[in-house]
Amino acid sequence: DTGVSQNPRHKITKRGQNVTFRCDPISEHNRLYWYRQTLGQGPEFLTYFQNEAQLEKSRLLSDRFSAERPKGSFSTLEIQRTEQGDSAMYLCASSFLSGNTIYFGEGSWLTVV
Amino acid sequence: DQQVKQNSPSLSVQEGRISILNCDYTNSMFDYFLWYKKYPAEGPTFLISISSIKDKNEDGRFTVFLNKSAKHLSLHIVPSQPGDSAVYFCAATDNNAGNMLTFGGGTRLMVKP
Repeated sequence: DTGVSQNPRHKITKRGQNVTFRCDPISEHNRLYWYRQTLGQGPEFLTYFQNEAQLEKSRLLSDRFSAERPKGSFSTLEIQRTEQGDSAMYLCASSFLSGNTIYFGEGSWLTVV
Repeated sequence: DQQVKQNSPSLSVQEGRISILNCDYTNSMFDYFLWYKKYPAEGPTFLISISSIKDKNEDGRFTVFLNKSAKHLSLHIVPSQPGDSAVYFCAATDNNAGNMLTFGGGTRLMVKP
């Protein structure tokens, strides 16, 4: 399977704990995106990388959210001191630099209890 | 400020008939539009897209129409099949903005056998 891969698929954590999600994009895709989706809403853009450079991060929801793509391949999204409002599906997507179509992974469900 | 809106939260159609899903946008800088299909607990799957230089794009049973003056696009599915039952999201992007997608809230399509 050469699609966008995300793990873990499901994570249940206690409020106040830190969580990290990993995304492996489609190989050779230069751009990698993180979105969040809550129930009944469309995906909401969080941040994106072009190779290893994070070109937009102003949409990250708070300073508790951070993302990295250290070698321009896989990426991690970390949420520190989780809150119940962080419960959502976190989606990773990737695309070519010159491509208009963005391909999504299966998503990582976060439940904060 | 919702820049992309899908005003119908749900649509029910008989198998074999046409499904028409609508989407409106407000940002005149958007120049590329996409439709995604989403099953529960999965990531969005790309369906079809259209550039602002076109007014129609067809791919098998799926056709997207774009009316730039009205800032409106629609997705036609003909003939509808029970397997088409899912949530459909329209998304828009400004190619100068790094392919960051702005999504509508989604329309749940139910195709009845």
